[in-house]
Amino acid sequence: NAGVTQTPKFQVLKTGQSMTLQCAQDMNHNSMYWYRQDPGMGLRLIYYSASEGTTDKGEVPNGYNVSRLNKREFSLRLESAAPSQTSVYFCASYRTVGRSGNTIYFGEGSWLTVV
Amino acid sequence: AQKVTQAQTEISVVEKEDVTLDCVYETRDTTYYLFWYKQPPSGELVFLIRRNSFDEQNEISGRYSWNFQKSTSSFNFTITASQVVDSAVYFCALSEAGANSKLTFGKGITLSVRP
Repeated sequence: NAGVTQTPKFQVLKTGQSMTLQCAQDMNHNSMYWYRQDPGMGLRLIYYSASEGTTDKGEVPNGYNVSRLNKREFSLRLESAAPSQTSVYFCASYRTVGRSGNTIYFGEGSWLTVV
Repeated sequence: AQKVTQAQTEISVVEKEDVTLDCVYETRDTTYYLFWYKQPPSGELVFLIRRNSFDEQNEISGRYSWNFQKSTSSFNFTITASQVVDSAVYFCALSEAGANSKLTFGKGITLSVRP
């Protein structure tokens, strides 16, 4: 997926460990998002950032923190990982301003397993 | 609050059949954007279409067509003469206009096309 880079692609954590998922986009988009995808649940919004310096909770924010470091980067941190956070995580970016809203660009996903 | 409902969870068809995937949305905004994404077994999210709320024209792209009806808040997706390669999870999504908008996805429809 052009323009959105997400790392790492795979990670195994032990319960209680912390880690940060990194996301960067080079399309000068103002909005960035973190989703988690679980079987039968679709894509659920964890946090989003409408612009540099702002972040807002989504549907399932508990257990996560985010940081919009600059316009390009939006990181997701698990402070104390739990097995319930085993999931596939997707970062996305989107230009929301203006009538000609762009398409949403997704990263390739990060497969996280907490044991 | 915005909401996307994909009432169908799994659909199975035989190759060459036509299939329609339903999407119903809720929003209080008068300007918004609707999307369809495909997620094949490989896991990436593939953009299919974006529709603006002020453009109710239906769209056809090859075997794919979309029927947008504001009166019923629906944005349905039809695949004509389905093929095995169409087997995937399909997501409908909604974004309200504005700088602080968030993207909301439906739970997805798993389409299986049997040879």
